[in-house]
Amino acid sequence: QKEVEQDPGPLSVPEGAIVSLNCTYSNSAFQYFMWYRQYSRKGPELLMYTYSSGNKEDGRFTAQVDKSSKYISLFIRDSQPSDSATYLCAMSGRGSYIPTFGRGTSLIVHP
Amino acid sequence: NAGVMQNPRHLVRRRGQEARLRCSPMKGHSHVYWYRQLPEEGLKFMVYLQKENIIDESGMPKERFSAEFPKEGPSILRIQQVVRGDSAAYFCASSPSGGGLGNTEAFFGQGTRLTVV
Repeated sequence: QKEVEQDPGPLSVPEGAIVSLNCTYSNSAFQYFMWYRQYSRKGPELLMYTYSSGNKEDGRFTAQVDKSSKYISLFIRDSQPSDSATYLCAMSGRGSYIPTFGRGTSLIVHP
Repeated sequence: NAGVMQNPRHLVRRRGQEARLRCSPMKGHSHVYWYRQLPEEGLKFMVYLQKENIIDESGMPKERFSAEFPKEGPSILRIQQVVRGDSAAYFCASSPSGGGLGNTEAFFGQGTRLTVV
């Protein structure tokens, strides 16, 4: 079993839909959780960063962490075609500064 | 304020040649991380460096791969005697302080796409 599991998709949604992207993990030591967005042939761009459990909102994006279930989510409201990209989750633990990445979920938002 | 600069963006090497990938971190950043990304896979950590020091190279193959981050100049990832399996996108990221990507904001470069023919 991989430490971080992420469905590669693709996930195809119509413009304006609410998108839910998820990752599960097995290492209970993870405490820092990140979401990156990567456009085709570009470098990953940090979208959201959260510590421990709870929610964090930034504009149309909401990150959720449920440590009891070892499950994290990224919600995108009012999705736009420009949101079409690969979304990578990443996480690390106290004293372990190198995050482990999921393989990424490809999102396609069609007009 | 320029972001993380990687060059070349594309690199083609024949089997057995050497590949040298360069990464200039953002201004004020002294911590550099190298990752490899293969098709259908996520980012795999290779090495974490500070100026003149390798902090963690646990993800780097023991043979043919080396990395440095000198006092002056960019960080270099060097792959000797490349093989077809080395073909991948190599990304570097930089951060202003220690603690790695886990608890400080870090920024990625655009990557170098290495093709071994």
